Amino acid sequence: LAKTTQPISMDSYEGQEVNITCSHNNIATNDYITWYQQFPSQGPRFIIQGYKTKVTNEVASLFIPADRKSSTLSLPRVSLSDTAVYYCLVGPDTGRRALTFGSGTRLQVQP
Amino acid sequence: NAGVTQTPKFQVLKTGQSMTLQCAQDMNHEYMSWYRQDPGMGLRLIHYSVGAGITDQGEVPNGYNVSRSTTEDFPLRLLSAAPSQTSVYFCASRGGTQETQYFGPGTRLLVL
Repeated sequence: LAKTTQPISMDSYEGQEVNITCSHNNIATNDYITWYQQFPSQGPRFIIQGYKTKVTNEVASLFIPADRKSSTLSLPRVSLSDTAVYYCLVGPDTGRRALTFGSGTRLQVQP
Repeated sequence: NAGVTQTPKFQVLKTGQSMTLQCAQDMNHEYMSWYRQDPGMGLRLIHYSVGAGITDQGEVPNGYNVSRSTTEDFPLRLLSAAPSQTSVYFCASRGGTQETQYFGPGTRLLVL
């Protein structure tokens, strides 16, 4: 299973763009990159998933360079409600293998 | 759809007691898993299943048993509770077009 490395914590202010980078040097050919968000006392929830280049949805963008050894989650114009822990996961696009979570990045957004 | 449901929401056990944490999903997902999350820490995989009748160990399986007799249910059994098992337990199922993991609300377990 591809291991991931993320910053332990980040601080930001409301209205700023936040970029969280995840390293996954031994990503496999059939692995996708998925980001989850977790609020206190809740289970994680899916944010975005990608394989290469750039993916954008209504919540975030995901940038993946050509070598796929890292990825960057971009949150535009964060608000206080974006304060959460963000997890980067790397795993296959089928449900036949386990997915493990790293320690995640704790994002604190201040007014 | 109810998604992933877990019972109970909160449980207090004495050391040595056994109990079963229930997990059910109504999305017809083949893959289900159990995680534990200690205060201020990330999630650690306990056991997972890729379909009815098939289970496998995750990162921290000791002290826990699982079975998967149906697609919908994936109970987690604590054989002999220990204070080190005090944690929040999350059940998840995985499926859909992006193989997204859907998490239950969690069970908060306190072992005295």
